[in-house]
Amino acid sequence: GAVVSQHPSRVICKSGTSVKIECRSLDFQATTMFWYRQFPKKSLMLMATSNEGSKATYEQGVEKDKFLINHASLTLSTLTVTSAHPEDSSFYICSASEGNPTSTEAFFGQGTRLTVV
Amino acid sequence: SQKIEQNSEALNIQEGKTATLTCNYTNYSPAYLQWYRQDPGRGPVFLLLIRENEKEKRKERLKVTFDTTLKQSLFHITASQPADSATYLCAGNTGGFKTIFGAGTRLFVKA
Repeated sequence: GAVVSQHPSRVICKSGTSVKIECRSLDFQATTMFWYRQFPKKSLMLMATSNEGSKATYEQGVEKDKFLINHASLTLSTLTVTSAHPEDSSFYICSASEGNPTSTEAFFGQGTRLTVV
Repeated sequence: SQKIEQNSEALNIQEGKTATLTCNYTNYSPAYLQWYRQDPGRGPVFLLLIRENEKEKRKERLKVTFDTTLKQSLFHITASQPADSATYLCAGNTGGFKTIFGAGTRLFVKA
């Protein structure tokens, strides 16, 4: 199947700094990518839908200025957690689909464990 | 609100037995249900997709059912192996871009 690469897999940062997470589709073009957040033993919560060449669509309750999303090309989307605080510590996962994301499988990145100290 | 609910308690079974995981949905009419496997600290891996007009789908040792009357999907792993131990996520999609995930059920297969 298609491969989605997410980097870094783990990051520890100091409170107040910003962290950038990259999501790349390695062997296909992804017009749309999705960013999720997952707490321990909880379901994946969709944060935003990233659209190539346009602004991301954020879910209700997700701060746009806090979680900056850029989808500059068909193979790369980035999530920047700005001015990170300990409550931002979580597991962040991206996904992408080759075609219609509703009827085909989604390919997930490996996830990024963010710890803010 | 729309919900995908999975049994939060871990499922412990003996190697060789069939594992059956349950996914129920409320206030929701998904056109598709998907099942994913997630290992600790890793992203989900797609396993199977079943459409609302399909009653059953199989792939090797895996079988998924979709009962729109009961609003339920069952996920079966036959001849289970210790390597099948993981968290299994159920996800639903109505045909739009948004997919709703359940919290997952942890499966432990004992040798």
